[in-house]
Amino acid sequence: KQEVTQIPAALSVPEGENLVLNCSFTDSAIYNLQWFRQDPGKGLTSLLLIQSSQREQTSGRLNASLDKSSGRSTLYIAASQPGDSATYLCAVRPRDDKIIFGKGTRLHILP
Amino acid sequence: NAGVTQTPKFQVLKTGQSMTLQCAQDMNHEYMSWYRQDPGMGLRLIHYSVGAGITDQGEVPNGYNVSRSTTEDFPLRLLSAAPSQTSVYFCAAIGVYGYTFGSGTRLTVV
Repeated sequence: KQEVTQIPAALSVPEGENLVLNCSFTDSAIYNLQWFRQDPGKGLTSLLLIQSSQREQTSGRLNASLDKSSGRSTLYIAASQPGDSATYLCAVRPRDDKIIFGKGTRLHILP
Repeated sequence: NAGVTQTPKFQVLKTGQSMTLQCAQDMNHEYMSWYRQDPGMGLRLIHYSVGAGITDQGEVPNGYNVSRSTTEDFPLRLLSAAPSQTSVYFCAAIGVYGYTFGSGTRLTVV
């Protein structure tokens, strides 16, 4: 059974710092992995999708990497801003199509 | 460009009542799914569908039914609401370029 873990559960960093969020999964047989952000009381916004054949994806200040063999993905946020404060979730689509989410990392950027 | 539309946005039910949460997409995606989100539990998969006429259970299917008669619609039915079903429900449609989520339905069962 696929399990997805995100560490840390919460993180506070000063504005301007670069930071890394972690996502690990137990079964490396996946189609893809996706990162989302969720603002309080809101829905999920897709950030980056990495297909199983890819190693990384970039969008603006965000870079997501995927290492299937070790069951790990990281989301790198450069030059953090207060507007980046949100909960970040990763989701894994395994071969049985039962897409599983991690519980998220709650990020707070201190002005 | 509606994407995924969920209705209603808010609902209060009495224990034992039934209701249907609606989900519709206009992106022609084959894969659709329902999640519930609870504090400390994250998003948990209730049911999913890989195409019209095909549905399957996720992690927490008990107390919920789904059907997929068209590509566009994927309703979630609560058969006999219980307080444990108080949650925020999200519907998603998934295509080659990733997921699109609806804005959610906040359900309270009293």
